[in-house]
Amino acid sequence: DTAVSQTPKYLVTQMGNDKSIKCEQNLGHDTMYWYKQDSKKFLKIMFSYNNKELIINETVPNRFSPKSPDKAHLNLHINSLELGDSAVYFCASSPTSGAVYEQYFGPGTRLTVT
Amino acid sequence: KNQVEQSPQSLIILEGKNCTLQCNYTVSPFSNLRWYKQDTGRGPVSLTIMTFSENTKSNGRYTATLDADTKQSSLHITASQLSDSASYICVVTGSSNTGKLIFGQGTTLQVKP
Repeated sequence: DTAVSQTPKYLVTQMGNDKSIKCEQNLGHDTMYWYKQDSKKFLKIMFSYNNKELIINETVPNRFSPKSPDKAHLNLHINSLELGDSAVYFCASSPTSGAVYEQYFGPGTRLTVT
Repeated sequence: KNQVEQSPQSLIILEGKNCTLQCNYTVSPFSNLRWYKQDTGRGPVSLTIMTFSENTKSNGRYTATLDADTKQSSLHITASQLSDSASYICVVTGSSNTGKLIFGQGTTLQVKP
C-alpha cells in the first residue's frame, strides 16, 4: 500500500547520457512535485504539477523535463547528464496545490553521474 | 531573500534525554511552518504543521513551538529513543497557491544507548 513510489531507487550513469525517473502516487492527489536534495542536504523544489498542469517551474536547466501523463504519475527526464546532477531526487504529492496542504514524499532516487 | 536556518547542525544525545532543535526563518509572507523527520535513505515525513496563529503543536513525544513575531520555531523531543536518530528539517511555506516549500538544511540527531 505504498503511497508515493519512485523508480529506480538508485541510478548510476555516465556524463552525457539521458535518463528518466518515474513517480507514482496512489493517494488520489491532484498535485505532484519533484525536489532535488544536494550533498548539503538542502531540499529544493524543481517542478510541480496540478492536474497535469505545470504550476511551479523553478530555475532548473532545460535539460530537466517533467512529464505528467495523468494525475497519478509525474516523471522526470534528464538529458545530457552532468556531474552536478548527482543528488537524491524526491517526488511528493499533496491533495491539491496550496500552502496549507500536507505533502507526502517518496523514498527518493539517488542519481550518481560519473 | 527567503531563508530557513536551523541549529545546531548536528546533535548527539543519550537515550532517554530530551533535546530542543531551533529554526529561524525570514520567509515573508508566511503561511505555515512544518517540521519533518527524515530517516537515512528515506523521504521526509511530516511531524507537525503550524499556521501563524498557532504557537504550539504536539505529536506524541514531539512538541513544536512557533513565535511568528520573532520568526522562530523549536522542536522539542522528550524521552528520546534510538529510533529518533534522523535529520529534522524545518520547512516554511509562504502565502501562495502553489504550495512551494522552503527547506532548512536540517539538524542531524543521533541518539546513543
